[in-house]
Amino acid sequence: KQEVTQIPAALSVPEGENLVLNCSFTDSAIYNLQWFRQDPGKGLTSLLLIQSSQREQTSGRLNASLDKSSGRSTLYIAASQPGDSATYLCAVVQGAQKLVFGQGTRLTINP
Amino acid sequence: DADVTQTPRNRITKTGKRIMLECSQTKGHDRMYWYRQDPGLGLRLIYYSFDVKDINKGEISDGYSVSRQAQAKFSLSLESAIPNQTALYFCATSNGLNEQFFGPGTRLTVL
Repeated sequence: KQEVTQIPAALSVPEGENLVLNCSFTDSAIYNLQWFRQDPGKGLTSLLLIQSSQREQTSGRLNASLDKSSGRSTLYIAASQPGDSATYLCAVVQGAQKLVFGQGTRLTINP
Repeated sequence: DADVTQTPRNRITKTGKRIMLECSQTKGHDRMYWYRQDPGLGLRLIYYSFDVKDINKGEISDGYSVSRQAQAKFSLSLESAIPNQTALYFCATSNGLNEQFFGPGTRLTVL
């Protein structure tokens, strides 16, 4: 059974810092990996999708990498801003296109 | 306008009542999903559907049923609500790349 782990569970950094969020998964047989952002009490917003054949994807200040062989993905956020404060979730897609989610990292950017 | 909408957004009900949560999408995707989110347990898949004639159980389908009325509509029913079904419920769709898009969520409280 696939298990997805995100470390740390919570992170607080000053505004302007670059930071890395980590995601690991136990079964490397995935179709893709998706990073989401969730604001308190709200829905999930898709940030980046990495196909299994890709190594990374970039969108603005965000860069996500994928290493299937080691079962790891990272989300890099450059020049963090208070508006980046949210919970970040990673999820992997396996057979039957079902997502398995990590527990998330709650990020706080301090002005 | 939102691509994935859910109604109601909030609902308080009593134990034993029948509840229906509705999801509509304008993305034109065939695949639709229902998840629930609980603190400390993350998001878990309840049911999913790949087209109007296809319904599949997820990891926590007991106590729930679904109906796929059309490509754009996927409803989740709780036949006899119980307090441990209190949660945040999300509908999602996915495209051909298995990228998932989430609705805003329904907060359900069962007293």
